[in-house]
Amino acid sequence: GEDVEQSLFLSVREGDSSVINCTYTDSSSTYLYWYKQEPGAGLQLLTYIFSNMDMKQDQRLTVLLNKKDKHLSLRIADTQTGDSAIYFCAEFNTDKLIFGTGTRLQVFP
Amino acid sequence: KAGVTQTPRYLIKTRGQQVTLSCSPISGHRSVSWYQQTPGQGLQFLFEYFSETQRNKGNFPGRFSGRQFSNSRSEMNVSTLELGDSALYLCASRSGTVNSPLHFGNGTRLTVT
Repeated sequence: GEDVEQSLFLSVREGDSSVINCTYTDSSSTYLYWYKQEPGAGLQLLTYIFSNMDMKQDQRLTVLLNKKDKHLSLRIADTQTGDSAIYFCAEFNTDKLIFGTGTRLQVFP
Repeated sequence: KAGVTQTPRYLIKTRGQQVTLSCSPISGHRSVSWYQQTPGQGLQFLFEYFSETQRNKGNFPGRFSGRQFSNSRSEMNVSTLELGDSALYLCASRSGTVNSPLHFGNGTRLTVT
């Protein structure tokens, strides 16, 4: 079955690292994505990882993929107030994205 | 390169009416997908078009339809609107090659009263 799960909320202090977790169920997914959504806006593509990779780093963002446990995480280093948003993980399967519920990240000073 | 453009940004309609939403993909992108976002159901796939053909369809009633033109622009139509159709409708485009990522527009916020 197709199901992607995320925790609903995460609160971090400015300057700390944030880690957002995601689990998925379909092992045939080819790509896994992270999108960011700010209030009143669409989805901004942050990064994505191919299913045969373990890790991908892009500036402050690090994606870790544990294919055995079907677990994906997004680490944001040196979290800033501008990182406050909802973060969605999604698996790409049969030409469509299946999204998680989204994690609301709140950054406080 | 300009991003995915959706028009209009906001729409207010009454029950029973129909609505057409428009999406212009990133230049060179041939695949356009539509998603519905609601607080209760989250983000759900509606359909995908590639080279004017519907390639994939989500689990939505027949009142939801779409099409793609030869310039890759896409429209989606919802007929006989219901209150539950109130949502943010997001369009995404990708080049269409196997590994290409999806890029989203800012969406059209539809309110049905």
